[in-house]
Amino acid sequence: DAGITQSPRHKVTETGTPVTLRCHQTENHRYMYWYRQDPGHGLRLIHYSYGVKDTDKGEVSDGYSVSRSKTEDFLLTLESATSSQTSVYFCATRGSSTNSPLHFGNGTRLTVT
Amino acid sequence: KQEVTQIPAALSVPEGENLVLNCSFTDSAIYNLQWFRQDPGKGLTSLLLIQSSQREQTSGRLNASLDKSSGRSTLYIAASQPGDSATYLCAPSGGETSGSRLTFGEGTQLTVNP
Repeated sequence: DAGITQSPRHKVTETGTPVTLRCHQTENHRYMYWYRQDPGHGLRLIHYSYGVKDTDKGEVSDGYSVSRSKTEDFLLTLESATSSQTSVYFCATRGSSTNSPLHFGNGTRLTVT
Repeated sequence: KQEVTQIPAALSVPEGENLVLNCSFTDSAIYNLQWFRQDPGKGLTSLLLIQSSQREQTSGRLNASLDKSSGRSTLYIAASQPGDSATYLCAPSGGETSGSRLTFGEGTQLTVNP
């Protein structure tokens, strides 16, 4: 793997509480992504970053925010968790070239009760 | 919007068979296409990346082809082994509304029986 660490690996939280997931990379990759994976929907992009403090929305960004204050860290925050946000969340990174491959972390399984 | 379809959704074969997984996409204006495998409870592992100017890429027993104009890619696995059992996903990068972002198919779940 390309040195991508996601934390926590598992989390159970209650509806309405804030949750922050962390992605840390050691490859100095420019691009970082947050995806969620759900049965019947596959992998869907939530937010992505193309540099420090440069972020943009993906296809399912409602209810999520992100921050990237350092190259190596990309945080995903659920401001007020809902049951529909129960999912497996994956962080991914890639280098600057258009043809750099995408590398994934091992995921965070989030359950909102 | 780029849409990706993978056929079949599931495949079960005996060990030793050669097999083909199919991927089709609707927007042919892509930069490249990646194939990944995902083991249960794990993240995705990149297998092959084919640039839009290439027709195929090979890595060991894996061979991926790309026909950009028809919106198709295939992943060929030679002499399948039980360790090949996993879900295989394809993801084209780019398209007129996707920029350099990847769009994922839902995958083909492969089981290779000993």
